Amino acid sequence: KAGVTQTPRYLIKTRGQQVTLSCSPISGHRSVSWYQQTPGQGLQFLFEYFSETQRNKGNFPGRFSGRQFSNSRSEMNVSTLELGDSALYLCASSLGTTGTKEGNTIYFGEGSWLTVV
Amino acid sequence: AQSVAQPEDQVNVAEGNPLTVKCTYSVSGNPYLFWYVQYPNRGLQFLLKYITGDNLVKGSYGFEAEFNKSQTSFHLKKPSALVSDSALYFCAVRDTGGSTLGRLYFGRGTQLTVWP
Repeated sequence: KAGVTQTPRYLIKTRGQQVTLSCSPISGHRSVSWYQQTPGQGLQFLFEYFSETQRNKGNFPGRFSGRQFSNSRSEMNVSTLELGDSALYLCASSLGTTGTKEGNTIYFGEGSWLTVV
Repeated sequence: AQSVAQPEDQVNVAEGNPLTVKCTYSVSGNPYLFWYVQYPNRGLQFLLKYITGDNLVKGSYGFEAEFNKSQTSFHLKKPSALVSDSALYFCAVRDTGGSTLGRLYFGRGTQLTVWP
């Protein structure tokens, strides 16, 4: 069974540009969430989507947005990039329910390394 | 609100010795607790979880964790450390329902170094 797939793995952008990151969850998983990881702030929750609806949102500015498609694939977009947006962006997927023990496990992808120059 | 604390930024242990990485949590309700490991330039790998049942949970790569409700702790353990266990370890707690169901709350991480 394939894991969580994130593309691209590495990218470099210039301040002011925008970027779109993609995530394909594990087959059958309906929940996709995004996290930002930086050395200073650690792992910070961005948002979670379940069945194409944003179910939860972290404390990030409106420049950070996301969406989920009917096949559960998700994208996140960051507009007007700032130097401080340089980070590892992690996507995670799960069944999105608590009905089973397996439904409670959240699996992560390898991440997308974003460098803003 | 849920929160997780990992009191040690760094843990150093000799290969072959037992290791413990500490985690305490604060939740409103029953906790769903997790441990993840991150190797350099990689994503997070799931190690083990506690949902209900036995307080001692066994996971991948010989790791186990002990859930202690009275001490609100979920320490990660391994009887005999390997150099290849050197990595960054994260403890996390998940909401058990509602609109925040899919969100994990992470600790700051503990860098484990196992020397030969």
